[in-house]
Amino acid sequence: DTAVSQTPKYLVTQMGNDKSIKCEQNLGHDTMYWYKQDSKKFLKIMFSYNNKELIINETVPNRFSPKSPDKAHLNLHINSLELGDSAVYFCASSKRGTRGERDTQYFGPGTRLTVL
Amino acid sequence: AQTVTQSQPEMSVQEAETVTLSCTYDTSESDYYLFWYKQPPSRQMILVIRQEAYKQQNATENRFSVNFQKAAKSFSLKISDSQLGDAAMYFCAYRRPNFGNEKLTFGTGTRLTIIP
Repeated sequence: DTAVSQTPKYLVTQMGNDKSIKCEQNLGHDTMYWYKQDSKKFLKIMFSYNNKELIINETVPNRFSPKSPDKAHLNLHINSLELGDSAVYFCASSKRGTRGERDTQYFGPGTRLTVL
Repeated sequence: AQTVTQSQPEMSVQEAETVTLSCTYDTSESDYYLFWYKQPPSRQMILVIRQEAYKQQNATENRFSVNFQKAAKSFSLKISDSQLGDAAMYFCAYRRPNFGNEKLTFGTGTRLTIIP
């Protein structure tokens, strides 16, 4: 049973194109995140949503637009792709609940985006 | 802003031996959470262990344990009886305990090699 899934796992595209990455979680969580891992393996938060509401938007270019149709899904659309967008993008989710539960984020398998 | 520092870009250990990975962090908060995540070559981010700052007892998970020194702002990971499957990037991460939707701030990672 996949907890946090992402599609596609690999994405190769030309500069200037528009692409989307989808994320779904079946953990019953209410908060979802997008992280970017660059070529040096550094991970940084991009966005987070709680109950479909944008909570964190971490100085990401306007070309990146997250959308959360419901609590179980968070998609990432990227317009006018640039070479510097090449990275691994991770979706994660967590639950607002008791103290012990809500602080753990569970990650999807990542999407490797390559912009040529 | 919180920062997380992993001063060892690479570490290696003989199979069955013990290795300790270092992590220090900077925060003005008194309550927070610390995590170690493992990223094997499959690139999946896997939670290894979690520590809550208000708990004085060090967390343990089977062969994995931490040495949490709150005053020194240090959070090291000890892996006992190292196994080939432990080879991976290890990331230390910090999170504020605010409503469960706070971002993870990651260190730069330590690449662990297991020598057969």
